[in-house]
Amino acid sequence: SYVLTQPPSVPVAPGQTARITCGGNNIGTKSVHWYQHKPGQAPVLVVYDNTDRPSGIPERFSGSNSGNTATLTISRVEAGDEADYWCQVWDSSSDQGVFGGGTKLTVL
Amino acid sequence: QVKLQESGPGLVKASETLSLTCTVSGYSIRNGYFWGWVRQPPGRGLEWIGTAFHVGNNYYNSSLKSRVTISTDSSTNQVSLKLTSLTAADTAVYFCARTSGTTGFFDFWGQGTLVTVSS
Repeated sequence: SYVLTQPPSVPVAPGQTARITCGGNNIGTKSVHWYQHKPGQAPVLVVYDNTDRPSGIPERFSGSNSGNTATLTISRVEAGDEADYWCQVWDSSSDQGVFGGGTKLTVL
Repeated sequence: QVKLQESGPGLVKASETLSLTCTVSGYSIRNGYFWGWVRQPPGRGLEWIGTAFHVGNNYYNSSLKSRVTISTDSSTNQVSLKLTSLTAADTAVYFCARTSGTTGFFDFWGQGTLVTVSS
């Protein structure tokens, strides 16, 4: 089945920009979704269909997707952004959803 | 606001069948959308289990397909998950969620329920 690859961890200083990647074969042809997940809480959708933000999600969260890499960008990082981030796609070849391995964003 | 709440046994025995229920409020599942389950084993990543539409059209993770059934009940506004032949590897937090659109993203999630499979 389709494989999504994420870096295990991304450190970032407060106020800086964090970029979390999600790699996959020709992922640029798919719609990529991103979730923020804090311990003990439900995951929260922060970007869907590559670039769209649900209502209530700050503009600091943005997404892009091209070639073999999709990227979640978090601008002006805050301490409250520290969480695990997961990318997800629908694999039409196997008719199932797929999650990446997850990235822990650490705010230094 | 759409809310989802999972319920079920916290502890089940190996080889038995897990049955979980997700009660949906704030939205009638007969009005559409797919409803799905995702799990997270301790210390590991999210795993997509499957989704179901209220009038059929279910989709399952190929690695679980022989053991999993997801169904919806419009009369009670609930989504259920059944997973058979349990092993310790099925120990996880199980989340139910609404799947929106044609690209399969989950826009509303429950808080999750921990299921431990004991030998």
